[in-house]
Amino acid sequence: AQSVAQPEDQVNVAEGNPLTVKCTYSVSGNPYLFWYVQYPNRGLQFLLKYITGDNLVKGSYGFEAEFNKSQTSFHLKKPSALVSDSALYFCAVRDSHSNYQLIWGAGTKLIIKP
Amino acid sequence: DAGVIQSPRHEVTEMGQEVTLRCKPISGHNSLFWYRQTMMRGLELLIYFNNNVPIDDSGMPEDRFSAKMPNASFSTLKIQPSEPRDSAVYFCASRQGQPNNEKLFFGSGTQLSVL
Repeated sequence: AQSVAQPEDQVNVAEGNPLTVKCTYSVSGNPYLFWYVQYPNRGLQFLLKYITGDNLVKGSYGFEAEFNKSQTSFHLKKPSALVSDSALYFCAVRDSHSNYQLIWGAGTKLIIKP
Repeated sequence: DAGVIQSPRHEVTEMGQEVTLRCKPISGHNSLFWYRQTMMRGLELLIYFNNNVPIDDSGMPEDRFSAKMPNASFSTLKIQPSEPRDSAVYFCASRQGQPNNEKLFFGSGTQLSVL
C-alpha cells in the first residue's frame, strides 16, 4: 500500500540551529514528493517538490529537501531556523495510479524557540 | 492575484441544517480540489474537478455531501443535512493543469462547527 510517514508529531529547535523534519514514503514506481507548510488559520503553501534530477531540492523560505531512494526518505531541512518557521509541515507523495491524488503525511509541528 | 478565495471563514450551525461552502479558484487554473482536514483523519480529498467536470468524487463521505462547479471561477460544497461529525476545516485548492504540476494553491479554509 502506498503511504507517507512523518514519524515525529513535533520537532523543537532553537533559533539559529539547523532543522530537519523527517518523511519516509512507500510508493510503487518513481516517487513524486512534496513538502507543504501550514501556518495557523491558513491553507497549505507549497514549499518544494522532487520529480527527478538532483537529490537535493531547494525550495521557498530557504528550505531544502534531500531525496534518498535507498532509504525511501525525503527529509526537509534548513541550515538555520527562524522563529517564523514555526508551523505545521506536511510531506506528500503522488499516488502512482493517479495524476492528481496526493497521499499526505499526518504533519509535523515545528516549533522554533528564540 | 488574490489567491484562492473561500467563504465563509467560519460557519457555526446546528445539526440538520444545510451548509454551503464557496470557493473561487485562481484565474486560469483548471483543476479544483475540495479537502477536509481533521485531527483524527488528517487531510482527505473529497472531490476533484478538471475543467469544471467532477473527475473523482470517491472521497465524498456520503450522499449528504454534494459539490458543484458551474463555471471556471466558482465552486460550492454543500452538506445537507449537516451532522456534528462534519465539523472540520474545509479547504479548496486549485492548480494549473499541466502534467506533473502538483503545485496546489490552497484557500484559507472554512472552519465548520456543527452543534
